[in-house]
This record gives sequence, C-alpha cells and structure tokens, in this order.
Amino acid sequence: DTAVSQTPKYLVTQMGNDKSIKCEQNLGHDTMYWYKQDSKKFLKIMFSYNNKELIINETVPNRFSPKSPDKAHLNLHINSLELGDSAVYFCASSQTVGYGYTFGSGTRLTVV
Amino acid sequence: GIQVEQSPPDLILQEGANSTLRCNFSDSVNNLQWFHQNPWGQLINLFYIPSGTKQNGRLSATTVATERYSLLYISSSQTTDSGVYFCAVERMAAGNKLTFGGGTRVLVKP
Repeated sequence: DTAVSQTPKYLVTQMGNDKSIKCEQNLGHDTMYWYKQDSKKFLKIMFSYNNKELIINETVPNRFSPKSPDKAHLNLHINSLELGDSAVYFCASSQTVGYGYTFGSGTRLTVV
Repeated sequence: GIQVEQSPPDLILQEGANSTLRCNFSDSVNNLQWFHQNPWGQLINLFYIPSGTKQNGRLSATTVATERYSLLYISSSQTTDSGVYFCAVERMAAGNKLTFGGGTRVLVKP
C-alpha cells in the first residue's frame, strides 16, 4: 500500500526521557513534515524537509530534533520530555505545488 | 501569516440530514484541502480543491478562490460522518506548509 506510515502509534513515557518517532513514505514525495495536534485538536506545523534539507522550523524548542536520512524518511527525536509535550504527532508528505498532502495515522505521545 | 477560520465550531445532526461547513481564509492560496479526522484520530484527505467544485459520493466541496472561502457539503449524513472536519490551506509565498483551521466537530445521531 502506498502511504505515510509512522511508528509507534502510542508512546507513554516518563518526564525527562528521550524518545523517537519514525516516519516513512513510499509515495515518492519530495517534502515531508511533522505536525503537532494539541489537546484542543489544533494542528500546527513543526518542521518540513525537502529532499533531506530542513526548510521550515516553526520555533520549536531545540529539544525536538528532526532527522531525514533520505527523502523517504523523516524521524523526530525528542530529548528531556516534558508534560507539555503530550500530544498527537502527525507525519505528512507532499509533492510539489499542485498536489495535496498525505498524513500518517499519528503517534499519541503521553508524558507522565 | 494566513488566517483560516471554520464555522460552525460544532454541529449536531440527525442521521439523514444535510449540512454545510464553511472555511474562510485571509489571503490567496495555492492549495486547499478538506480533511476528516475520525474518532480514532486518523486524518483522512477528503478533497484537494484550490478552486472549483468536486464531488465524492455524499460529500462535495466548492472553493471560490477570488472570495477566499470554501464550503464542504455533507448530504444524507450517516453516523460514520462523525468526527472533526478540517480545512487547511497552503500559500507558496509563505513556504511549503499547510495552515489548518480550528475544525468543525460534527456529531451525527442515529
């Protein structure tokens, strides 16, 4: 199936831990993104990468570090997790202008 | 940055009813999409519609780009239509990113 897949689907961890979320797309898209959905369901972009290069960093704390080993993968590493990091994180990809975005199924992160 | 406003914020429907959701945006856009977030949290792409009208089964959408709004029509609603509907826009001059509206939470009662 052509898709954007992210793992894990659920992540429960303690404050202060470091965790990673992985994302892969097999759509041949050039650009990949991380979005954060807060408890009020508001969706906001965090990062975007185009062909492995960082394009957008929306004033995200530097505890969040994206890494793109190739244009089909974009991982998100989070250091020193805080309670406020609890949210659903969505990975997405898109081709150049004229096409829509495809989203992964989300990772629900709970920091306790 | 571009502002995206959706109305109404909440909508309760009886199964079989029709409804219209609205999305207003503050600047010209290159891309507009409608998404449905189902109760399991999945974001399903409904329409890519920067302009014009499209239909897919009981759903249809119209974007009037010159007047900066888009409408999503749900006809003969079913309980499976429940969830949150998001409008999102992209303005290339602002970089490659989708800016989302606050969503319309829809509950269809049997």
